[in-house]
Amino acid sequence: ELKVEQNPLFLSMQEGKNYTIYCNYSTTSDRLYWYRQDPGKSLESLFVLLSNGAVKQEGRLMASLDTKARLSTLHITAAVHDLSATYFCAVLDNAGNMLTFGGGTRLMVKP
Amino acid sequence: KAGVTQTPRYLIKTRGQQVTLSCSPISGHRSVSWYQQTPGQGLQFLFEYFSETQRNKGNFPGRFSGRQFSNSRSEMNVSTLELGDSALYLCASSLGATYNEQFFGPGTRLTVL
Repeated sequence: ELKVEQNPLFLSMQEGKNYTIYCNYSTTSDRLYWYRQDPGKSLESLFVLLSNGAVKQEGRLMASLDTKARLSTLHITAAVHDLSATYFCAVLDNAGNMLTFGGGTRLMVKP
Repeated sequence: KAGVTQTPRYLIKTRGQQVTLSCSPISGHRSVSWYQQTPGQGLQFLFEYFSETQRNKGNFPGRFSGRQFSNSRSEMNVSTLELGDSALYLCASSLGATYNEQFFGPGTRLTVL
């Protein structure tokens, strides 16, 4: 059974600081996704990581994937208040077309 | 291109009742997946429908069921509601191949009293 763990679960940081969110998963998978969720809202797709060594960047966010270590990271550079949200990683289960989600990281960026 | 739509957006029911939620996928998408989100259990996969057939199923009791119509619209039904069924129910659509990206709708927030 595929298990996905994210850490930290909660992150409070000052504007302008850098930090990394980690996503570990337990079995082989070919696809990893990062989503953002604002309170009371749905999931917004941030990144799709398709292969080992994949790195994608959008603004102050950069995601990477190491399939050998079964690890993905979401790096935040020079955080701003607008990045405050909950971030989820999700791994596609090779056994079927279903996503297994991590527990989420609630990010709070303070001015 | 219109996104995934879900109706209703909010719903209040009492224990023992049943409820039906609806999801209209992005035009051209043939796969619809349903997820339950609760503070305690997080985001959990319920089931996936493709071409009117259930293709994958998560670990939920038989009270949770779904179907898909020929136009790819999907409904999920929860019978004999329990307090613990209170959740945000999200549907996601994709083109249909296993590795196609899933796009999420706004969700239906169900409250069971």
